[in-house]
Amino acid sequence: QSALTQPASVSGSPGQSITISCTGTSSDVGAFNYVSWYQQHPDKAPKLMIYEVSNRPSGVPDRFSGSKSGNTASLTISGLRAEDEADYYCSSYTSSTTLVFGGGTKLTVL
Amino acid sequence: QVHLVESGGGVVQPGRSLRLSCAASGFTFSTYNMHWVRQALGKGLEWVAVIRFDGSNEYYADSVKGRFTVSRDNSKNTLYLQMNSLRAEDTAVYYCARDKEGSSGWVGDYWGQGTLVTVSS
Repeated sequence: QSALTQPASVSGSPGQSITISCTGTSSDVGAFNYVSWYQQHPDKAPKLMIYEVSNRPSGVPDRFSGSKSGNTASLTISGLRAEDEADYYCSSYTSSTTLVFGGGTKLTVL
Repeated sequence: QVHLVESGGGVVQPGRSLRLSCAASGFTFSTYNMHWVRQALGKGLEWVAVIRFDGSNEYYADSVKGRFTVSRDNSKNTLYLQMNSLRAEDTAVYYCARDKEGSSGWVGDYWGQGTLVTVSS
């Protein structure tokens, strides 16, 4: 159960768009449309932002979108805002009926 | 509203045991699968275990298999994590999370605030 691969950090200016990648294998990301994305602010619990690759829970702004191609999933945040600065984690269901997270990406809004 | 409150964390010596609890309210606990996820200080999220809504099946991360046991008491709306043979690398904040209804892919839609477990002599 190796962790999914995410960039350690990304940055962007307010109003810009950024994309965070999440690379797995044919046993997790590539095998199922069960990729989720979580946002975590310092000392807070994670918050679900995207599930099943591209679905947004109620209350999540449509500035957040998700996609997948092969073994790589992506989270795109458009119209960056200061409050988007946080850590972002992807996760995927696996063929072993388990869940695996990515290592996390720190988003800095310049 | 959905409320999840973890308890039972603390300092424990290597090799000893600890049981965490997660009290649920604001939803029909007995109809939801439930997860435990942990996070070492300054590190990323690590999935620990999940238990189906009726307790019929449990699944574990390789790192805790054979040492940790997840269980639930639907009459008390409470989730548990029994942690045995604790190691220094089990030191983390432990979160319970509700699995999203209708999803088959283990999605945590509500999370507690976590309880800190420190394994140290």
